[in-house]
Amino acid sequence: QVQLVQSGAEVKKPGSSVKVSCKASGGTFSSYAISWVRQAPGQGLEWMGGIIPIFGTANYAQKFQGRVTITADESTSTAYMELSSLRSEDTAVYYCARDQGLGIAAAGSRGFDYWGQGTLVTVSS
Amino acid sequence: DIQMTQSPSSLSASVGDRVTITCRASQSISSYLNWYQQKPGKAPKLLIYAASSLQSGVPSRFSGSGSGTDFTLTISSLQPEDFATYYCQQSYSTPLGFGPGTKVDIK
Repeated sequence: QVQLVQSGAEVKKPGSSVKVSCKASGGTFSSYAISWVRQAPGQGLEWMGGIIPIFGTANYAQKFQGRVTITADESTSTAYMELSSLRSEDTAVYYCARDQGLGIAAAGSRGFDYWGQGTLVTVSS
Repeated sequence: DIQMTQSPSSLSASVGDRVTITCRASQSISSYLNWYQQKPGKAPKLLIYAASSLQSGVPSRFSGSGSGTDFTLTISSLQPEDFATYYCQQSYSTPLGFGPGTKVDIK
């Protein structure tokens, strides 16, 4: 059984950075795409970007380009999402999610079948 | 970017009702459409992938249909545990996008 376990809640000051981890267990880590999805309080789901660990190159939503860095460490089966220049609007629950296909989009994607438990990031002065 | 819309934004229904939620993409996404259920304080759960494929372990009262730009999620007989928010998501191209959600609550 695949499990994605995320790091704990964070409180950050505006302008700072946050790095959230997502450790996978129980399955093959390297071949499946891991995406990061966030959800602001009372709002919908927003895709930030994704990575296929075996390839190592991340794909980002334009909205976050330049502020987000997604990486993966195959040796520890852990994916990371770092968001910089934080502002109050970044207050949200951040989820990692695994695509059950072998890609991020199109024929490689078959939906996010496993999700982390979510990490609340609060940005406040 | 492909924009996703859903209707209705919310609905009230009774146990046993047939419920249909519609999702529309701003351009054709073939069958690259997934449906999720989310309950308060929980991560989303995959119900349907590739427009009409039922995810393993999901009850057969859930079904999906459509292709191109118009899709539907149907719950054939609403159960108490189905009261939740439902999101569609396109996986045709990046940035992957979600619909705004449809909240299903008790009538």
